[in-house]
Amino acid sequence: DTGVSQNPRHKITKRGQNVTFRCDPISEHNRLYWYRQTLGQGPEFLTYFQNEAQLEKSRLLSDRFSAERPKGSFSTLEIQRTEQGDSAMYLCASSSRGTGRTRETQYFGPGTRLLVL
Amino acid sequence: AQTVTQSQPEMSVQEAETVTLSCTYDTSESDYYLFWYKQPPSRQMILVIRQEAYKQQNATENRFSVNFQKAAKSFSLKISDSQLGDAAMYFCAYNVQGGSEKLVFGKGTKLTVNP
Repeated sequence: DTGVSQNPRHKITKRGQNVTFRCDPISEHNRLYWYRQTLGQGPEFLTYFQNEAQLEKSRLLSDRFSAERPKGSFSTLEIQRTEQGDSAMYLCASSSRGTGRTRETQYFGPGTRLLVL
Repeated sequence: AQTVTQSQPEMSVQEAETVTLSCTYDTSESDYYLFWYKQPPSRQMILVIRQEAYKQQNATENRFSVNFQKAAKSFSLKISDSQLGDAAMYFCAYNVQGGSEKLVFGKGTKLTVNP
């Protein structure tokens, strides 16, 4: 169990460019979440997958944002036509319906820090 | 609206002493879990402790314990025998069981541990 991984860890882009982030969840986890964290704030929910199905999206997720989880494994989050307001840490978390203390606990990746110039 | 309030933006504690971080939440749901997560500087968020709302007994994990007051919707974290490695941002969160079970977070409390 290598934990949740995210790539890249840092991304600097110019306004108007497209960016894509990847999340690899813990292998047996069927639930995957994306959150966004801005400076001085707690993470805010963006979207949720159960296996390959995207079952919930926050109203924070504008039309410029799209997420996928093909085959229920890794997930990608793409931001089109980036804006300076998109600068934030993008966190991925995964969970499963396990037992005991691990049941439904979300395990977080290290995040991708995006800076839009 | 479902919210989590952490009224202490920053706290400090002397090494080996005890500190309590406050958290209140607001939900109309009855089946939910509460969490404290720790986020060290430039490192990933890790779970410190969790509490199922249907359990009356307060959760404990080694030096970490909670005071869960369901009627008051209060969920404070006590850290005993504080260590330098406890320095971090601490986030209180909850999720409602069923559906996505997305986490709703507070704004966090920055804990400094003084040697």
